[in-house]
Amino acid sequence: LAKTTQPISMDSYEGQEVNITCSHNNIATNDYITWYQQFPSQGPRFIIQGYKTKVTNEVASLFIPADRKSSTLSLPRVSLSDTAVYYCLVGDNDYKLSFGAGTTVTVRA
Amino acid sequence: EAQVTQNPRYLITVTGKKLTVTCSQNMNHEYMSWYRQDPGLGLRQIYYSMNVEVTDKGDVPEGYKVSRKEKRNFPLILESPSPNQTSLYFCASRDRANTEAFFGQGTRLTVV
Repeated sequence: LAKTTQPISMDSYEGQEVNITCSHNNIATNDYITWYQQFPSQGPRFIIQGYKTKVTNEVASLFIPADRKSSTLSLPRVSLSDTAVYYCLVGDNDYKLSFGAGTTVTVRA
Repeated sequence: EAQVTQNPRYLITVTGKKLTVTCSQNMNHEYMSWYRQDPGLGLRQIYYSMNVEVTDKGDVPEGYKVSRKEKRNFPLILESPSPNQTSLYFCASRDRANTEAFFGQGTRLTVV
């Protein structure tokens, strides 16, 4: 499994765009990049997944450069309800989903 | 509605009293797993199962047992709970074809 590195915490204000970058230097050819969101005392929730270039859904965008050694989750115009822990996972469809410490995003009014 | 259901949501028990936390999913997923979450330590995998009758240890299996007799159910068993097993537990399931996992609501266990 590729090891990931992401910031421990980030602060933002309502209405701003939040970008969280995850480093995964030893990503393998078959690996996908997946992001989860977790609110306090709730289970993680899948946000977005990508392999290369850019992926966008109703919640976020995921930017992946050509070398795939990093990825950036972009949350547009955050609100207070986007305060959560965000996890970056890298792997193929194997059985073991390993969650690191994640990035705690705090959105302030 | 697609979901993973854990029971109970909250449990306070005494040291040494066997308990079972149930987990059931209605999505016909092959993969199921259990995690515990403790402050500052993130989510750590306890056990996982790739299909019926196929289980294996995760990162922190000591003190836990699991079984997978049916595809939809994956109970977590604590034969002799100890205070260091006080934690928030999550069950998850996913299809073998992708990495989108579905998590249960969590079980907050306190062992006194």
